[in-house]
Amino acid sequence: GDSVTQMEGPVTLSEEAFLTINCTYTATGYPSLFWYVQYPGEGLQLLLKATKADDKGSNKGFEATYRKETTSFHLEKGSVQVSDSAVYFCALANYGGSQGNLIFGKGTKLSVKP
Amino acid sequence: DTGVSQNPRHKITKRGQNVTFRCDPISEHNRLYWYRQTLGQGPEFLTYFQNEAQLEKSRLLSDRFSAERPKGSFSTLEIQRTEQGDSAMYLCASSPRKAQSTDTQYFGPGTRLTVL
Repeated sequence: GDSVTQMEGPVTLSEEAFLTINCTYTATGYPSLFWYVQYPGEGLQLLLKATKADDKGSNKGFEATYRKETTSFHLEKGSVQVSDSAVYFCALANYGGSQGNLIFGKGTKLSVKP
Repeated sequence: DTGVSQNPRHKITKRGQNVTFRCDPISEHNRLYWYRQTLGQGPEFLTYFQNEAQLEKSRLLSDRFSAERPKGSFSTLEIQRTEQGDSAMYLCASSPRKAQSTDTQYFGPGTRLTVL
C-alpha cells in the first residue's frame, strides 16, 4: 500500500542554519504531497503542498519540490528561526487508490536554539 | 472562530467504559475525516464521511468504534469498552468539497484520550 518515510528526529539546529528534512513516498498513480506542521500545544496546520511532478510548494520560507523520479518531497528552509521549532509531518493523498485520506510519515521534531 | 473544533479536548476514562467525542467541521465542508495519533507517530486514518454518508473505514476501526455524522454537519466518534491501547489523540479534519488533488484538509486541535 501507499506509504511515507521521513527522516527521524529529533533535529536540533542553531538559529539561521539551513534545514533539510527528507521525505520519500511509495504510491500508485499520482498522489498529492503535503507538509504539515504541529507547533507545541496546537493542531496540525498545512505548511505547503504540491499536486503534480516538478511542482514546488512554498510557504513561510519553507519549500519542497515534488520529484517523481526519486519519489521524494524534501522540506528545506534557508535560515531557520526559533519559532520554527515544531514537529513536521510529510503526507500524501492518493485520489486514485482511496478517497483522499492522508497518509502520514512519523514526523520529525525540530528544535531551533538561539 | 471558523476552524474545526473538537470536544472534549481531554478525556480520562477507566478501561471498559464508553466514550464519545464530537467534531464540528468548518461550515459547509462536506468531507469529514477522523484520524488517530499515538505518541511519536503520525496520524493514522480511521474513517471519513461525505455529507452524512460514511464512505470508508480503516482496518484500524474495530467493531468497538462507531462514527456518525447525522445531517452531514457535526460528527461523533464513540469507543465502546475502552482498552488501554485506545489511548491516543483523536483528530478530526474537514475539507471543502469533493476530493480533488488540490483540496486541503483542515485539522481540529484533537481530543486526547487516556484509558486507565
